[in-house]
Amino acid sequence: DTEVTQTPKHLVMGMTNKKSLKCEQHMGHRAMYWYKQKAKKPPELMFVYSYEKLSINESVPSRFSPECPNSSLLNLHLHALQPEDSALYLCASSQDRRGTANTEAFFGQGTRLTVV
Amino acid sequence: ELKVEQNPLFLSMQEGKNYTIYCNYSTTSDRLYWYRQDPGKSLESLFVLLSNGAVKQEGRLMASLDTKARLSTLHITAAVHDLSATYFCAVDIRAGNQFYFGTGTSLTVIP
Repeated sequence: DTEVTQTPKHLVMGMTNKKSLKCEQHMGHRAMYWYKQKAKKPPELMFVYSYEKLSINESVPSRFSPECPNSSLLNLHLHALQPEDSALYLCASSQDRRGTANTEAFFGQGTRLTVV
Repeated sequence: ELKVEQNPLFLSMQEGKNYTIYCNYSTTSDRLYWYRQDPGKSLESLFVLLSNGAVKQEGRLMASLDTKARLSTLHITAAVHDLSATYFCAVDIRAGNQFYFGTGTSLTVIP
């Protein structure tokens, strides 16, 4: 099973709303990632969790709040977003670098977020 | 600042032709990955390159890695329309689980 599952697939939210994106994997991966991708651009790294601890925060605004409740789940809590935050949000998982040479990342199908 | 640059950014080629996409990166890394993305879809893993000189082939695509030159190539042989997509290289930085994508190459294969 090389599947990373993201929910919801589509989300429309107002600028005063609070919503959450969810990501789940059952590959035993201990590194999990959130990426943001705008149209016709490469994915931009937002957050990295390693063994359920936040290890990388790429200077992401505080209106994005990640959470890793356990080794299989990753959430991204959204609050007071701006229209420019509209994008495809991708979750990925991989083996942690400390345990293996192959850190190939597997990606979920993404959540298409529109902020109105 | 890390840079992962791909060349060309846009590629239009005829079916049956050969071409190479280049991926240059600015920091030390011994792990490089190639992904494919169809419009509106997620990323599909194509190749995993884990050492200097690594070469992998799958169908009409072949990828290679030269860590000393900080260069990876994705070679397309006898292109077919189904290969039309955006191709990204990605570099795993030694300092941690940092996985950064190149600028992407949008490939269109014309019948």
